[in-house]
Amino acid sequence: ETGVTQTPRHLVMGMTNKKSLKCEQHLGHNAMYWYKQSAKKPLELMFVYNFKEQTENNSVPSRFSPECPNSSHLFLHLHTLQPEDSALYLCASSQVGGRGLDGYTFGSGTRLTVV
Amino acid sequence: DAKTTQPNSMESNEEEPVHLPCNHSTISGTDYIHWYRQLPSQGPEYVIHGLTSNVNNRMASLAIAEDRKSSTLILHRATLRDAAVYYCILRDRDDKIIFGKGTRLHILP
Repeated sequence: ETGVTQTPRHLVMGMTNKKSLKCEQHLGHNAMYWYKQSAKKPLELMFVYNFKEQTENNSVPSRFSPECPNSSHLFLHLHTLQPEDSALYLCASSQVGGRGLDGYTFGSGTRLTVV
Repeated sequence: DAKTTQPNSMESNEEEPVHLPCNHSTISGTDYIHWYRQLPSQGPEYVIHGLTSNVNNRMASLAIAEDRKSSTLILHRATLRDAAVYYCILRDRDDKIIFGKGTRLHILP
């Protein structure tokens, strides 16, 4: 356990379904992130939240909708996805401010398959 | 974002040292050099970071060139569990972390 927990670990959903990915961190961090890792591609940063406020959206399609109700929880709501959205979705957290040298702590990811 | 260049893959024998190179010729004075690794079926994990001086921790050592345009991650005695993708990343304080393709390290028994 890294201190960042993602659920579910695996998810298969149809293109018309609505589902949510959950991320929870128990590290007292104040920033959280969503990354996408497709096969044979580098990790892509999707969203950044600092102190519950979204500070970055890297041109992510609106069928991905993040939510950060507090500094410990992060959700990624999914609807009308496409097969090419199948990937490993990774959540990370960090402590911003201070010395600014703290690393990211990642969860184990949710393996999403869109059928 | 400042760029890093790493070999796509490397091989090493078990129980031997491994030197993973990274070039970052456009590094700025405030960029820290971070290394992460990603084991199969897991999220990335932090390995080590440094600014100018060489650094050691329980996982690895980081050797930084005097001009800071390159660095080397050193695993002193590789085990099969060290097989992973290793990412060299430049990061200025609270900047977000952007991953490249990394180096896939294969460990031969």
